[in-house]
Amino acid sequence: AQSVSQHNHHVILSEAASLELGCNYSYGGTVNLFWYVQYPGQHLQLLLKYFSGDPLVKGIKGFEAEFIKSKFSFNLRKPSVQWSDTAEYFCAVNARNRDDKIIFGKGTRLHILP
Amino acid sequence: SAVISQKPSRDICQRGTSLTIQCQVDSQVTMMFWYRQQPGQSLTLIATANQGSEATYESGFVIDKFPISRPNLTFSTLTVSNMSPEDSSIYLCSVPDPRDRGAYNEQFFGPGTRLTVL
Repeated sequence: AQSVSQHNHHVILSEAASLELGCNYSYGGTVNLFWYVQYPGQHLQLLLKYFSGDPLVKGIKGFEAEFIKSKFSFNLRKPSVQWSDTAEYFCAVNARNRDDKIIFGKGTRLHILP
Repeated sequence: SAVISQKPSRDICQRGTSLTIQCQVDSQVTMMFWYRQQPGQSLTLIATANQGSEATYESGFVIDKFPISRPNLTFSTLTVSNMSPEDSSIYLCSVPDPRDRGAYNEQFFGPGTRLTVL
């Protein structure tokens, strides 16, 4: 069964700092990869996703993620964060199989100082 | 995308009682998923609900505690039975992209039901 590890549980940055959140998954087959975001008081929404093709995926709000198959990683990046990026970020994996579901990492709580 | 609504949005319940949470989707979908998000934790999948068959439960979750109904392709209910304070959590339903015709891709999430058990 697949699993997801997020290395950082809580990250505090100042505005304009660069961000990288680590995510590793364990599954030997083909996967779909996601980053979801949950802003304070709001429900989960998709930030970006990778299915195939270019391993560098661009999402909303200036976020991007790079799929490195050899490292089983899908790290999230943003060159310059804003206060409004304060949220919880979840990495998730779906084994590309009709019967499989999305498994979430434990999440990273990001706090941006104004 | 899919628009998902849940009822109730929140509730405070007494120990030993049961609560049924409803999930309504604006599109027909084969699968619906129920998750739990405990305070400060990630989402944990409870079960997958297919229309016309019994739900498939994840390890640690049982039908007697979390019975699920799936009467049609746009609706599902999750009941939290014989509640205890440890059941205090946010319960979310989600569905895969209704346009998907193959491997499951993006999931859309409902707003969640915040349950507090006293």
